[in-house]
Amino acid sequence: AQSVTQLDSQVPVFEEAPVELRCNYSSSVSVYLFWYVQYPNQGLQLLLKYLSGSTLVESINGFEAEFNKSQTSFHLRKPSVHISDTAEYFCAVQTGANNLFFGTGTRLTVIP
Amino acid sequence: EADIYQTPRYLVIGTGKKITLECSQTMGHDKMYWYQQDPGMELHLIHYSYGVNSTEKGDLSSESTVSRIRTEHFPLTLESARPSHTSQYLCASSEVGQGIIGGYTFGSGTRLTVV
Repeated sequence: AQSVTQLDSQVPVFEEAPVELRCNYSSSVSVYLFWYVQYPNQGLQLLLKYLSGSTLVESINGFEAEFNKSQTSFHLRKPSVHISDTAEYFCAVQTGANNLFFGTGTRLTVIP
Repeated sequence: EADIYQTPRYLVIGTGKKITLECSQTMGHDKMYWYQQDPGMELHLIHYSYGVNSTEKGDLSSESTVSRIRTEHFPLTLESARPSHTSQYLCASSEVGQGIIGGYTFGSGTRLTVV
């Protein structure tokens, strides 16, 4: 069985400060890993994904995540956050052709 | 632009009414999903479909039903709405194929309130 743990339910951070949203997973087989973002009153949007190859993946808006197999983690980071980054962030794991399994989400609030 | 559409965006309805939440996608994706999202943000898979005439129950038991008569359309129906059905419902789709792992595309959601 697989599971995803997002350790922080809420993360407040000041504008232009760095942020890290933590995600750990458990699985007995190889995994594909995803981060989704949900802005208020909207659906989820794919932010970035790790399928294979380089363990560091980046999004177009400055976020990055690193797959760490030994620590079974896929933490999301940004060196300097914007007010517009305020949203819910979901980590998700997929094994093979199975359905995505989502974490419980982290609410990122950027403080002016 | 290829996309996935959900209607209505917001719905307030009385107890006992029958409702259908619509979901359509223009990407030709075979696999479609319905998620229920609680106020605390957690996502629960309630139904999914591999393609036309295929429907499966998800991880969370739900009194709703779904149908898949056309590839692009995956409506969700509640025969008799109750206050416990109050939630946000998210529809998603994904491409299926050898070596294709692309993630899901989500609609904007329907926020349902049963009074």
